[in-house]
Amino acid sequence: DTAVSQTPKYLVTQMGNDKSIKCEQNLGHDTMYWYKQDSKKFLKIMFSYNNKELIINETVPNRFSPKSPDKAHLNLHINSLELGDSAVYFCASSQVQTGELFFGEGSRLTVL
Amino acid sequence: SQQGEEDPQALSIQEGENATMNCSYKTSINNLQWYRQNSGRGLVHLILIRSNEREKHSGRLRVTLDTSKKSSSLLITASRAADTASYFCATDADDYKLSFGAGTTVTVRA
Repeated sequence: DTAVSQTPKYLVTQMGNDKSIKCEQNLGHDTMYWYKQDSKKFLKIMFSYNNKELIINETVPNRFSPKSPDKAHLNLHINSLELGDSAVYFCASSQVQTGELFFGEGSRLTVL
Repeated sequence: SQQGEEDPQALSIQEGENATMNCSYKTSINNLQWYRQNSGRGLVHLILIRSNEREKHSGRLRVTLDTSKKSSSLLITASRAADTASYFCATDADDYKLSFGAGTTVTVRA
């Protein structure tokens, strides 16, 4: 019974391609997030949705577009991939904003 | 912007010893949380301490918070090999998000 699941776990792609990562949570939480973890393990928030509404949009290139079809799902689409996009992307959810976060296992994106 | 910074960056201890790591932050907070990340896995919540609390315990974990110094510490007592992981602090600075540091990597030697 995975609480927060994200797919795929690994993506390897060429520069310039477009890719998507999907996330689903079965915890009944209202808030979902995308975080990016770089090679130095620094974790930075990218987006946050509450009940399908975008509430946090950090300084992220507009090549990154989140979509929340319902409050249990939050997907991330990335256009025109660049080398610097290589990272591990984590989806997370919480019942209340700034409460305990439940993380997925991460999606490791490698751009060649 | 990054809020919490952990110290040290890396820590190596013998099984059975205690491990202490610190987190410093810059602005006032509502709460501070600690997370663990095993290699190749997602982060797992360990403990949350609110700004009006000074100390909290959970099993072998002890967390302190000093809001006057804007710092927190995480103590793991009687460490085990399974405690080998990276530990992150995350702060809620009343901006509707949790901000993480870069973590402390703890290695417990058998």
